[in-house]
Amino acid sequence: NAGVMQNPRHLVRRRGQEARLRCSPMKGHSHVYWYRQLPEEGLKFMVYLQKENIIDESGMPKERFSAEFPKEGPSILRIQQVVRGDSAAYFCASSPSTGENIQYFGAGTRLSVL
Amino acid sequence: DQQVKQNSPSLSVQEGRISILNCDYTNSMFDYFLWYKKYPAEGPTFLISISSIKDKNEDGRFTVFLNKSAKHLSLHIVPSQPGDSAVYFCAASVKTSYDKVIFGPGTSLSVIP
Repeated sequence: NAGVMQNPRHLVRRRGQEARLRCSPMKGHSHVYWYRQLPEEGLKFMVYLQKENIIDESGMPKERFSAEFPKEGPSILRIQQVVRGDSAAYFCASSPSTGENIQYFGAGTRLSVL
Repeated sequence: DQQVKQNSPSLSVQEGRISILNCDYTNSMFDYFLWYKKYPAEGPTFLISISSIKDKNEDGRFTVFLNKSAKHLSLHIVPSQPGDSAVYFCAASVKTSYDKVIFGPGTSLSVIP
């Protein structure tokens, strides 16, 4: 009965490096969502994926950010050439394939860019 | 354009009293509303929800009220307990090609013992 697992919990990168954030959804869930929370702000939707498909990436910055959810393995949010403004908490959520509105969140990855 | 608004960034309530957290929305197509609770260094956890066909849903100490004509919902916690101190996010769902959920900015509740 493991919940949504995100790793790492904390990630420190220098400007220009790449950040890879991983998310394993709850067992039986095939829908994954990524959100970003900047300091003192709410949750901003980034991308919604099903297995091997990006369904909605309207919240993703056009450059440097990409996401995938392969047939096997966790979902990955990848940020290339990180900048200080990418410092934030990134949350992953999952929901069952039945299309339930309720999303179940992981504990988040806190990215700090030096 | 913020479709889900929580105009009070913070709220302080005495233990045992009622906490009322408010939320306003602009999109009349929203058909499902949710409240999430978030403790520091943890992810949000689902608390309670309400369909647009209802005006009230109750679960223990938590009640959500929906006023569709005013595009307003509220979360009532009674009696409030110190463990309720957290950030509360209001969220709304709209059917596009899927049930897209949009979150408000959150209200930080402090319950004072």
